[in-house]
Amino acid sequence: KAGVTQTPRYLIKTRGQQVTLSCSPISGHRSVSWYQQTPGQGLQFLFEYFSETQRNKGNFPGRFSGRQFSNSRSEMNVSTLELGDSALYLCASSHLPLGAGTNEKLLFGSGTQLSVL
Amino acid sequence: TQLLEQSPQFLSIQEGENLTVYCNSSSVFSSLQWYRQEPGEGPVLLVTVVTGGEVKKLKRLTFQFGDARKDSSLHITAAQPGDTGLYLCAGPNAGNMLTFGGGTRLMVKP
Repeated sequence: KAGVTQTPRYLIKTRGQQVTLSCSPISGHRSVSWYQQTPGQGLQFLFEYFSETQRNKGNFPGRFSGRQFSNSRSEMNVSTLELGDSALYLCASSHLPLGAGTNEKLLFGSGTQLSVL
Repeated sequence: TQLLEQSPQFLSIQEGENLTVYCNSSSVFSSLQWYRQEPGEGPVLLVTVVTGGEVKKLKRLTFQFGDARKDSSLHITAAQPGDTGLYLCAGPNAGNMLTFGGGTRLMVKP
């Protein structure tokens, strides 16, 4: 069974540009959640999609957006990049939505390391 | 806001030593999860604790959920270099968003 796949693995952008990251969940999983990980702030929840609908969004500016397709693959977009957006962006997939089941296993991808210069 | 605080932030020990990592909150969580993350990889789920007072064992790792479901601990017996990594606790907040602790970075020296 293939794991959660994130592409690209590494990305270098300059300030003001925009970026799109992709996440392919485990086959059959309909929930995809996104996280930002930085040395200073740790792992922070960005948003979750379930069956193509955004269920929750964390405390991030509107420059951060996402979507989910009918095959459950998800993309997140960051517009007008800032230096502080440099981070490891992780996605995770699960069968049920977050909070729906206490024994639900969340599986993470290896992340996309974004550097903004 | 439901926050999770982990201590210590960093821990460097010799192979064979025992250690305990703590995850504390002032809020009640319906469940808490523990993850281990290695450099360049995403976190991997180790265990989920659900019931207050629950103890779960995973080989040399023992996880405990506090009676009031506000705290959890991870105890490693006879640590090995393969245990090196970032240990994270996480729990669902009121909005069903996953909240993570700041992590404990463990280094086990041979």
